[in-house]
Amino acid sequence: DTGVSQDPRHKITKRGQNVTFRCDPISEHNRLYWYRQTLGQGPEFLTYFQNEAQLEKSRLLSDRFSAERPKGSFSTLEIQRTEQGDSAMYLCASRQGRTEAFFGQGTRLTVV
Amino acid sequence: AQTVTQSQPEMSVQEAETVTLSCTYDTSESNYYLFWYKQPPSRQMILVIRQEAYKQQNATENRFSVNFQKAAKSFSLKISDSQLGDTAMYFCAFMKLNNNDMRFGAGTRLTVKP
Repeated sequence: DTGVSQDPRHKITKRGQNVTFRCDPISEHNRLYWYRQTLGQGPEFLTYFQNEAQLEKSRLLSDRFSAERPKGSFSTLEIQRTEQGDSAMYLCASRQGRTEAFFGQGTRLTVV
Repeated sequence: AQTVTQSQPEMSVQEAETVTLSCTYDTSESNYYLFWYKQPPSRQMILVIRQEAYKQQNATENRFSVNFQKAAKSFSLKISDSQLGDTAMYFCAFMKLNNNDMRFGAGTRLTVKP
């Protein structure tokens, strides 16, 4: 296991389309996070899973956003009816116990 | 809610010199973690150093050290003997012990000049 993996690395979509991103955490990590990062800003917390349970969601996560982690392993983040304001880097991170979070390389979304 | 403030959007330092990046945070918690993460251009975020709030001793990792002032809610990062590879965005982050979301500051863009 070489770390947190995110797919795709880049996504360009037309406004109004749906997109789905995938995150594969480090295999023994039971905690998984999604963040959104816009240019020149720090990551903003979106949601958090412990195993398969989604324990916390940010108010940033509108009804168009949904995240799942069905078997407590990989996670998906779906954005429906994308808007130009959704353009950002979407980061996934995982951790176990009291260790630090390990980040993936992110998925850069561009909505045109 | 916890907030993390990095008041220096950009900094630069000459190679081999020392630079200090500032971070302050706001919390009512007594136990928590603090982190500095580095994000090189177009590369993923990696941990530089971490500090547990219950530990009075400042964390050190090779050329990186922190000045943790709990009463002042300050957590600065000192980079000694700066190297060109230290050029990156640096983010300060806060995490409560019993909660699991990590809050980040807006970042400081550090440029190391040859």
